[in-house]
Amino acid sequence: AQTVTQSQPEMSVQEAETVTLSCTYDTSENNYYLFWYKQPPSRQMILVIRQEAYKQQNAMENRFSVNFQKAAKSFSLKISDSQLGDTAMYFCAHEGVSGNTGKLIFGQGTTLQVKP
Amino acid sequence: DTAVSQTPKYLVTQMGNDKSIKCEQNLGHDTMYWYKQDSKKFLKIMFSYNNKELIINETVPNRFSPKSPDKAHLNLHINSLELGDSAVYFCASSQVWGNEQFFGPGTRLTVL
Repeated sequence: AQTVTQSQPEMSVQEAETVTLSCTYDTSENNYYLFWYKQPPSRQMILVIRQEAYKQQNAMENRFSVNFQKAAKSFSLKISDSQLGDTAMYFCAHEGVSGNTGKLIFGQGTTLQVKP
Repeated sequence: DTAVSQTPKYLVTQMGNDKSIKCEQNLGHDTMYWYKQDSKKFLKIMFSYNNKELIINETVPNRFSPKSPDKAHLNLHINSLELGDSAVYFCASSQVWGNEQFFGPGTRLTVL
């Protein structure tokens, strides 16, 4: 069964600095998708970034980038030039392609506090 | 303009009652999901429907029954509510597997 582990329950960073959130996963599938979702205090779940496992190139979206290490089953999120609005809980998630179900397996989440 | 909407946003009820949460998406997506977020913020999938057909049914008590009258709606009915059902329930939708899932605002259910 797939599992996703986020080993950092809480992190903090100064505004304008860079922070990296860790995520490891376990899967027996060769092809799958990985996601980072953000949940601010408003409770809304928002997609931050998406990675397709068969693509070697790391995904990037503006200040957000990932370090995808397929062999190590690691998928970390780097936030550059942190902003106060980045304060939120961040969830790493895995979706396997087997069965085409769209089933997302989430990690435990990392609470990120951006300090002024 | 809301992509995925849920009603109600808050639900407070007594143990033993039956309640429903409604979800609608106007994105034209074929697949809809229900997730449960517990008090520790852990998110777990409960059900998914593709074009009104049940695809995923995780180990959820049979007091929970999803219903999809059409592909834009996925409702969740809960019978005989228990204290442990208190959580935030999220509806989501996506066009195809592997794509972004769009989440509703969540429904905070409190069972007293």
